Amino acid sequence: RKEVEQDPGPFNVPEGATVAFNCTYSNSASQSFFWYRQDCRKEPKLLMSVYSSGNEDGRFTAQLNRASQYISLLIRDSKLSDSATYLCVVKRGGNQFYFGTGTSLTVIP
Amino acid sequence: GAVVSQHPSRVICKSGTSVKIECRSLDFQATTMFWYRQFPKQSLMLMATSNEGSKATYEQGVEKDKFLINHASLTLSTLTVTSAHPEDSSFYICSARGSPGGGNEQFFGPGTRLTVL
Repeated sequence: RKEVEQDPGPFNVPEGATVAFNCTYSNSASQSFFWYRQDCRKEPKLLMSVYSSGNEDGRFTAQLNRASQYISLLIRDSKLSDSATYLCVVKRGGNQFYFGTGTSLTVIP
Repeated sequence: GAVVSQHPSRVICKSGTSVKIECRSLDFQATTMFWYRQFPKQSLMLMATSNEGSKATYEQGVEKDKFLINHASLTLSTLTVTSAHPEDSSFYICSARGSPGGGNEQFFGPGTRLTVL
């Protein structure tokens, strides 16, 4: 079983829509959780960390459910510039980071 | 945020040659550096983790004699793909972890696109 699983999409949504991505992880010992954004042929960049209590950054809301071992990312009022691949990343102890395959989002005018 | 550079950004080489990729943390000391490989439309796959001054830890299935990693200083790690073959063609990305305040964030380099003919 993969460490981190994501629906690869693609998600094609109109501008202004709300879209949600989910990610599940297999190891209950996972400690830290992140969403990264990767534009085509570019390196991943941290979008936001995910905290147990949930956290919000502008139009982006991340939530963590440890009992069910899933992480979510909600994007409200989608912009064209949100089009990218969103990577779910899970960290275990030490330096072990595991990446999901990414979810592709295209926001359509 | 912290800056990580990679060099070269793109390399084309003949089969059988060796290619060295450099990863540098420009404004912080990277206690740990990671090397990833990404094939088209796939996610990043961790190849190895290196800590400054010690041997790299390779992921299962990654040949340490083929992918030589050197992390000689807190700002530089190198990946050498030895005797490269066409199947080694990929996007290689390094990341670095470690900042004055510590933390869990990885800062990624811009990647190196390797094409082996």
